[in-house]
This record gives sequence, C-alpha cells and structure tokens, in this order.
Amino acid sequence: GDSVTQMEGPVTLSEEAFLTINCTYTATGYPSLFWYVQYPGEGLQLLLKATKADDKGSNKGFEATYRKETTSFHLEKGSVQVSDSAVYFCTENSGGGADGLTFGKGTHLIIQP
Amino acid sequence: NAGVTQTPKFRILKIGQSMTLQCTQDMNHNYMYWYRQDPGMGLKLIYYSVGAGITDKGEVPNGYNVSRSTTEDFPLRLELAAPSQTSVYFCASSPLNRGDNSPLHFGNGTRLTVT
Repeated sequence: GDSVTQMEGPVTLSEEAFLTINCTYTATGYPSLFWYVQYPGEGLQLLLKATKADDKGSNKGFEATYRKETTSFHLEKGSVQVSDSAVYFCTENSGGGADGLTFGKGTHLIIQP
Repeated sequence: NAGVTQTPKFRILKIGQSMTLQCTQDMNHNYMYWYRQDPGMGLKLIYYSVGAGITDKGEVPNGYNVSRSTTEDFPLRLELAAPSQTSVYFCASSPLNRGDNSPLHFGNGTRLTVT
C-alpha cells in the first residue's frame, strides 16, 4: 500500500534557525499532499496543502512545494520560533483506503530559545 | 463554534473493563473518523462513517465498535479493554465532498491507559 516517509525526530533547533522537514510519498498518480501540525495536548490541525504538481502551500511562514519528479513535499520555514515546537505530520490523499489518507509517523520539532 | 469535542480527556481502565469514548461535532459534517495514535507510529484509522446510520471498518477495527445515530455524534466503544488498546484516540470530521480534499478537523484526543 501507499506510504509516507518523513525524517525521524526529535529535531532540535535554536530560535531563528532555518527548518527543513523532509517528506516523501509512494502513491502513484497525483495525490493531494498535506502537512498537519499537532501542538502539545491538542489534536492535529491542517498547516498547509498542495493539490497538484509544482503547487506551493504556505501558512504561518511555513512552505512546502509539491515535487512530482522526486515524490516529495518537504516542509520549510526560514526562521523558527519557540511557538513552532510541535509534532508535524506529512499526509497524502490518493483516495485509497477507507479514508483515502496515509499519514507519516510524525516529526517532533523542539525549538530552544 | 466548538468544532469537534471529545470526552473524556484521560481515562485509566483495568483489563476487561468497558468504556465509551464520546465524540460530537457541530459543523454538520457527514464524514467522521476514529484514529488511534501510538508513539512513533502516526495515525491508524479504526472506524469511519459517511453519514448517520452508516459505519465501516478502518485499518485496525478489532476490539472496537461504533455507532452513528445522528450526524453530530460518533461514539467509540471498547467492550473488553486490553493493554494493547493503550493509546491516544482522536475523533475527526470532514465535509461530505472528499473530492475537494477538505481537511480533517480533529478533536483534542482521549488518552487511554489499560492496566
């Protein structure tokens, strides 16, 4: 079945550092791609999405570009803040499975002041 | 607008006990889901529903049951709790039209420990 692979955590960075969290997927065709964020003690919430190749999703200073040629959707932010500390999930919607979604295992991001 | 509300937030069960995790949403979404989140394992779908009166199994349904008598409510039932069911459970909802890639709306989760 489809799978989503994202970098292992925890990832620890200093405030104002540049962030990259890698994500690759195996679904064929043109799945929609999402990044969800989970802050401590809360449920997941949508951070950004891209629905076709070369689309760039962006929100709260985060960006990710849908790269069909490398089947990737890496999450980036130019200057992270302590408030960005959370778990980030890369997700694809190819329509397969009961809910059509495949979640990555999550990357725990820790930002130190 | 409350969104998706789950209760309780925490619960400790003894092996063999039963309980119901409550989930309600006020967005008039037709699709509702139950996931479990285990450390380092992402989310696994337990059950889902496409509308009142309709439920179906997800990836890991064994040991659980659900019902959907109204659009708003989607309770998850554990009949004979086992240690393997120790996890964080999330309820989520989305609008009817999955084709437009509508995002899921999640509750804040229920942390369940079975000892």
